[in-house]
Amino acid sequence: AQSVTQLDSQVPVFEEAPVELRCNYSSSVSVYLFWYVQYPNQGLQLLLKYLSGSTLVKGINGFEAEFNKSQTSFHLRKPSVHISDTAEYFCAVRPTGNQFYFGTGTSLTVIP
Amino acid sequence: KAGVTQTPRYLIKTRGQQVTLSCSPISGHRSVSWYQQTPGQGLQFLFEYFSETQRNKGNFPGRFSGRQFSNSRSEMNVSTLELGDSALYLCASSLLGQGSDQPQHFGDGTRLSIL
Repeated sequence: AQSVTQLDSQVPVFEEAPVELRCNYSSSVSVYLFWYVQYPNQGLQLLLKYLSGSTLVKGINGFEAEFNKSQTSFHLRKPSVHISDTAEYFCAVRPTGNQFYFGTGTSLTVIP
Repeated sequence: KAGVTQTPRYLIKTRGQQVTLSCSPISGHRSVSWYQQTPGQGLQFLFEYFSETQRNKGNFPGRFSGRQFSNSRSEMNVSTLELGDSALYLCASSLLGQGSDQPQHFGDGTRLSIL
């Protein structure tokens, strides 16, 4: 079975500073990769996805992620965070023909 | 287009009772998946339904069951509730099944509390 590891459970960062949220997955087979964001008392919203092609994908709210096949990673980045980015972020992996597997989440707190 | 709708939003039950949660997917979506979310555990996959058939099942006991209707609406049932069943239950729909490259769209969840 696939496993997804989000290396940091909590990430505090000052407003307007850059941030990277790390995600590694176990399988080397062909996968689709996703990042979701969850605000308090809400479901998950899709931030971005990697299906194929360019390894750098851009999403909503200024976020981007880079797929690294050799390191089986899909780290999420934002060059300058805002208070409104405070939320829980989930990395998800879907091996082709299979179900979604989610990481345990990273809580991002933006400090004014 | 309306999003995924889950009802009720909040539910309080006692041990031993049973509960039914409802999910209405985005119009046209045929796949509905259910997840249990608890602090520290992230999202645990319960099961997926596609065109009224269960296609995938996670590692949960038989007390957790579900079904999907011809209009793609889905229900999840938990019998003989235990304290550990307290969680946020999320439903997600997608246009095609979990084998595709389609993302899942989530509802806001039902928060179930067991006393």
